[in-house]
Amino acid sequence: GAVVSQHPSRVICKSGTSVKIECRSLDFQATTMFWYRQFPKQSLMLMATSNEGSKATYEQGVEKDKFLINHASLTLSTLTVTSAHPEDSSFYICSARDSGQPNTEAFFGQGTRLTVV
Amino acid sequence: GQNIDQPTEMTATEGAIVQINCTYQTSGFNGLFWYQQHAGEAPTFLSYNVLDGLEEKGRFSSFLSRSKGYSYLLLKELQMKDSASYLCAVLHHSGSARQLTFGSGTQLTVLP
Repeated sequence: GAVVSQHPSRVICKSGTSVKIECRSLDFQATTMFWYRQFPKQSLMLMATSNEGSKATYEQGVEKDKFLINHASLTLSTLTVTSAHPEDSSFYICSARDSGQPNTEAFFGQGTRLTVV
Repeated sequence: GQNIDQPTEMTATEGAIVQINCTYQTSGFNGLFWYQQHAGEAPTFLSYNVLDGLEEKGRFSSFLSRSKGYSYLLLKELQMKDSASYLCAVLHHSGSARQLTFGSGTQLTVLP
């Protein structure tokens, strides 16, 4: 199946610093990618929809100035957690769906375990 | 908004059959997915239903009734490795994009 590569898989950063997470679709184009956050023993919560060449759409309660999303190409979206705090520690997962097959499964990246100390 | 309900936990015995139910209320329905997620890992695709009926794929089957807003995932011949969280997710229109909204997940424990 299609592959979505997410990097890094784990990151530890100091409180107040910024962290960038990359999400790449390796063998298909994705005009739309999705960013989720998952806290322990909870389900995936959609944070934002990343749109290639335009602004991301954020879910209610997600601070757009804190979670910066850039979708500069059809195969790459980035999520930057700015001024990270310990409460931002979570599992962040991106997903993408083949633009040519919009009703098919979403492919997930491997996830990024962020720990803010 | 979207509302997806599934049981929080289930326990079954190795070799048995288990059915995980999911009910949903949504607008702009485009299909229902089941994913399996092991702790600390990303979800992996199990099944997709957009029409009413049963889809069978090896030991796993998934059923959908659009009129009832109901789906289930059936796991046969359970193995220890099937212990995981099973996520029901609804694909729906949201603005110009199709989004996946996930249920809270059902943590399945398979006992020897």
